[in-house]
Amino acid sequence: AQRVTQPEKLLSVFKGAPVELKCNYSYSGSPELFWYVQYSRQRLQLLLRHISRESIKGFTADLNKGETSFHLKKPFAQEEDSAMYYCALIIDRGSTLGRLYFGRGTQLTVWP
Amino acid sequence: DGGITQSPKYLFRKEGQNVTLSCEQNLNHDAMYWYRQDPGQGLRLIYYSQIVNDFQKGDIAEGYSVSREKKESFPLTVTSAQKNPTAFYLCASSMSGDGDTQYFGPGTRLTVL
Repeated sequence: AQRVTQPEKLLSVFKGAPVELKCNYSYSGSPELFWYVQYSRQRLQLLLRHISRESIKGFTADLNKGETSFHLKKPFAQEEDSAMYYCALIIDRGSTLGRLYFGRGTQLTVWP
Repeated sequence: DGGITQSPKYLFRKEGQNVTLSCEQNLNHDAMYWYRQDPGQGLRLIYYSQIVNDFQKGDIAEGYSVSREKKESFPLTVTSAQKNPTAFYLCASSMSGDGDTQYFGPGTRLTVL
């Protein structure tokens, strides 16, 4: 069973429009969640992590334990935001089995 | 970006042959990982190692093998037992296996003919 679900495989918006990439997780413990991003011809890299509560490149993500969600949002999308976005969850932190689970990814396209 | 390297970038092999993908890091990270990236499947964990001389199977370990004899190296062997080996393989490392940021290599695209 998928621990991390990203329901949208593809998402398209116009430049300047708000964007929300959805992520839901399945974990009964205390979750730690991340968003990773892969721009065209670049390496996969960390965008943000929920414990930092920071905003990177205008993106924010709030952990909603009641809805088990960690949606990524940006109020005004830019063309350079076009990329593949992966939501990830760590479980069993602190044990030898601790590891990340990735969702299947959402390809965001921002049209000019 | 040069902290974690994978070679080669493209690899072609005949069916039935074993092939080893290289992953090296000079970041002094304890933990290393191998993922397989297929369209629509996201990243699936093959093997991971939190410390030298130790490693654990991920979700799709069948047909793959690894070793972790040195801290900086985590080679992945794709064996002939892997039924569908053609894929994009990503290696990553992190300071520890405890939720630290993972840093990814550029990937190796393996095509089995």
